[in-house]
Amino acid sequence: SQTIHQWPATLVQPVGSPLSLECTVEGTSNPNLYWYRQAAGRGLQLLFYSVGIGQISSEVPQNLSASRPQDRQFILSSKKLLLSDSGFYLCAWSPGTGARTDTQYFGPGTRLTVL
Amino acid sequence: AQKITQTQPGMFVQEKEAVTLDCTYDTSDPSYGLFWYKQPSSGEMIFLIYQGSYDQQNATEGRYSLNFQKARKSANLVISASQLGDSAMYFCAMREIKSGAGSYQLTFGKGTKLSVIP
Repeated sequence: SQTIHQWPATLVQPVGSPLSLECTVEGTSNPNLYWYRQAAGRGLQLLFYSVGIGQISSEVPQNLSASRPQDRQFILSSKKLLLSDSGFYLCAWSPGTGARTDTQYFGPGTRLTVL
Repeated sequence: AQKITQTQPGMFVQEKEAVTLDCTYDTSDPSYGLFWYKQPSSGEMIFLIYQGSYDQQNATEGRYSLNFQKARKSANLVISASQLGDSAMYFCAMREIKSGAGSYQLTFGKGTKLSVIP
């Protein structure tokens, strides 16, 4: 079966510091991968998605970037964090081919606090 | 304009009773999908149920069913025989195909907080 991991689970960072959040998927090949952010008491906002290695699409222009160095690895980064980057970051995957390619399955999330 | 509207910020239900969580959507795409996710206090988003726009039958998954009314653009989640473990945030989401994107995009509502009372 497929599993999705995210780390770290919790992170407290000062303003202006760099960021690297990692997401890996097991048990599937060629998944579509997604990064979402959830602000406190809000729904999810799609930040980036990827349909393959090195292929990244950005939904919202901002302080963050994403990379996909391997098929099942998705990284969210920032060179300098802002206070507004605080939130709950969720990684998700969906099958790249076959049935139900539109169903997304989420990881456990990373809670980021920028001080 | 919001594409997914969940009008109930919070709901209470007695244990063992049924509850309906409302969701309306807006799209001009003839092909779309509707999803419900559960988010307990731990934060993980758990996929519950899916309804395709061309599906003739309402989707069901165990105690979850989706009341799909296409003409009214509503996709309400019905939870039967509520349990204490059902207390969580519930999000409705819609999939639309983005031309050339190569993948599906989900748009989420703001959620409904369900509290199950013993």
